[in-house]
Amino acid sequence: QVQLQESGPGLVKPSETLSLTCSVSGGSISPYYWSWIRLPPGKGLEWIGYMSYTGTTHYNPSLKSRLTISVDTSKNQFSLKLRSVTAADMGVYYCARTWDGSGSYSDYWGQGTLVTVSS
Amino acid sequence: SYELTQPPSLSVSPGQTASISCSGDKLGERYASWYQQKPGQSPLLVIYQDKKRPSGIPERFSGSNSGNTATLTISGTQAMDEADYYCQAWDSHTVLFGGGTKLTVL
Repeated sequence: QVQLQESGPGLVKPSETLSLTCSVSGGSISPYYWSWIRLPPGKGLEWIGYMSYTGTTHYNPSLKSRLTISVDTSKNQFSLKLRSVTAADMGVYYCARTWDGSGSYSDYWGQGTLVTVSS
Repeated sequence: SYELTQPPSLSVSPGQTASISCSGDKLGERYASWYQQKPGQSPLLVIYQDKKRPSGIPERFSGSNSGNTATLTISGTQAMDEADYYCQAWDSHTVLFGGGTKLTVL
């Protein structure tokens, strides 16, 4: 059974960089795609971006200029870095295994980690 | 940019059928997936590729997709089905979510 676990600081100062890691157990990073998705308070799910085990990335256009998603296949982990955060970046951040292509869906999700932006 | 539209809320009595819609331009020409999210929990995939159910999802959950609308149908709705439901589609390596529908069972 594939399991995902997010980790990282729950509190980030405005204008600083949010860094999160997702550890994958019970299965290999390859040959899948891996996503970051967030749930802002009082709002709906928002896709952040995803990447393949080979390093191919696809980002939400609204976040692309501030976003980097990377993978470490040796550790079975993938990571998110979101620069210049503001209050609008607050919420619960999820990592998920995603199938790419027209039939895309995410079948395994982490439990989520709450991110607060405050000085 | 492509958008998916869901009704914000839907109420249904226990035992009745709940139909949650998701609208988008020519959505029927794409695949739709559906997620259930209860407070404090991660989203759970309940339908993928329009009508397929993952292992462990009850048969009362079904999906369809035609024209401009995808529909998640919950037959014999139970109190445990009260949750937020999100549709999802894909467009040129971009994952799109609908705004979500809050299903109340009362």
